[in-house]
Amino acid sequence: DAGITQSPRHKVTETGTPVTLRCHQTENHRYMYWYRQDPGHGLRLIHYSYGVKDTDKGEVSDGYSVSRSKTEDFLLTLESATSSQTSVYFCAIKGDREAGELFFGEGSRLTVL
Amino acid sequence: GQNIDQPTEMTATEGAIVQINCTYQTSGFNGLFWYQQHAGEAPTFLSYNVLDGLEEKGRFSSFLSRSKGYSYLLLKELQMKDSASYLCAVRDGDYKLSFGAGTTVTVRA
Repeated sequence: DAGITQSPRHKVTETGTPVTLRCHQTENHRYMYWYRQDPGHGLRLIHYSYGVKDTDKGEVSDGYSVSRSKTEDFLLTLESATSSQTSVYFCAIKGDREAGELFFGEGSRLTVL
Repeated sequence: GQNIDQPTEMTATEGAIVQINCTYQTSGFNGLFWYQQHAGEAPTFLSYNVLDGLEEKGRFSSFLSRSKGYSYLLLKELQMKDSASYLCAVRDGDYKLSFGAGTTVTVRA
């Protein structure tokens, strides 16, 4: 258990509304990631963070922004949700072992109507 | 960019062996990972290869050939609980993991 919690776990919203997903970790890991998972595409990186206030874009960052004001929290914001952003969103942290494998949160299922 | 290919689906019988292949073409390479993901759950780490060769961990083994851009995950003595998706992922030099679309393995009795 890497001490990762995501909230909310499920959300239904309407097109054009703002949405914020929260990822919280309890073990002081430096690297945090947001992925989305869709059928046929696997996991795709949205944004990642390598420290407080240090973030960078992934391969599918359009329409998303992130913030990391504290080590333990990494927020993903959809400024104006669209139906194409209906997905399962996973937060991850990079572990401290030599492999540096990622540990994933339980996921947040977002439906945009 | 990253291009990671793996078969979409595989079916095998309980007790048998299944090999899931993964080929990759990436702009950087700093390790190859395999993850298991049961339906409706988060991915969980299975194995890591950074040097060529075979890594064995119980019933699961993973192989890497960097020159060929090729890896496989070998699942032996299949059990019903091994029915899941298996994700191949490549890490570049900046600690970012790119994933293939996943291989759904169905184990039949």
